[in-house]
Amino acid sequence: KQEVTQIPAALSVPEGENLVLNCSFTDSAIYNLQWFRQDPGKGLTSLLLIQSSQREQTSGRLNASLDKSSGRSTLYIAASQPGDSATYLCAVKGNDMRFGAGTRLTVKP
Amino acid sequence: GAVVSQHPSRVICKSGTSVKIECRSLDFQATTMFWYRQFPKQSLMLMATSNEGSKATYEQGVEKDKFLINHASLTLSTLTVTSAHPEDSSFYICSAPSLTDTQYFGPGTRLTVL
Repeated sequence: KQEVTQIPAALSVPEGENLVLNCSFTDSAIYNLQWFRQDPGKGLTSLLLIQSSQREQTSGRLNASLDKSSGRSTLYIAASQPGDSATYLCAVKGNDMRFGAGTRLTVKP
Repeated sequence: GAVVSQHPSRVICKSGTSVKIECRSLDFQATTMFWYRQFPKQSLMLMATSNEGSKATYEQGVEKDKFLINHASLTLSTLTVTSAHPEDSSFYICSAPSLTDTQYFGPGTRLTVL
């Protein structure tokens, strides 16, 4: 059974810092990996989708990498802003979709 | 982009009643939809996979007689929480994959059972 782990569970940084969120998974037989953002009490917003054949995807200040063989993905956020404060979830798509527990990010002004 | 809607967004009901939650893909067809539950300060947990035209597939530990899923069409899946109890109070979210396999999530339904 696929297990997805996210480290750290919580992160607090001053505005402007670059930061990295980590996601690891136990079964490398995946179709894709997706990063989401969740604001308190709200649904999920898709940030980046990386297919299993890809190594990275970029959107604005966000860059996600995927190393399928080692079961790792990172989400890099450049020049963080207070509006980036949210919980970030990674999800791995195999036969179903499994989520990590998330990283709660706080960016302080 | 693709949009998935959920209705209702919030529902409060008495213990013992049944509640139906709808999940619709608004501009694409989905033969499969996923239902998740999220307890406060916890991650999303997959409950079941809804399959158009066939029975849903439930995750271990999820009671299929309690959480009835019907995927009536290529754009609609419903989750009915039968005989709801306070411990069923949670945030329920559905998702549907687009043709590119990007998962699009509904805005969620907050269920409170008194």
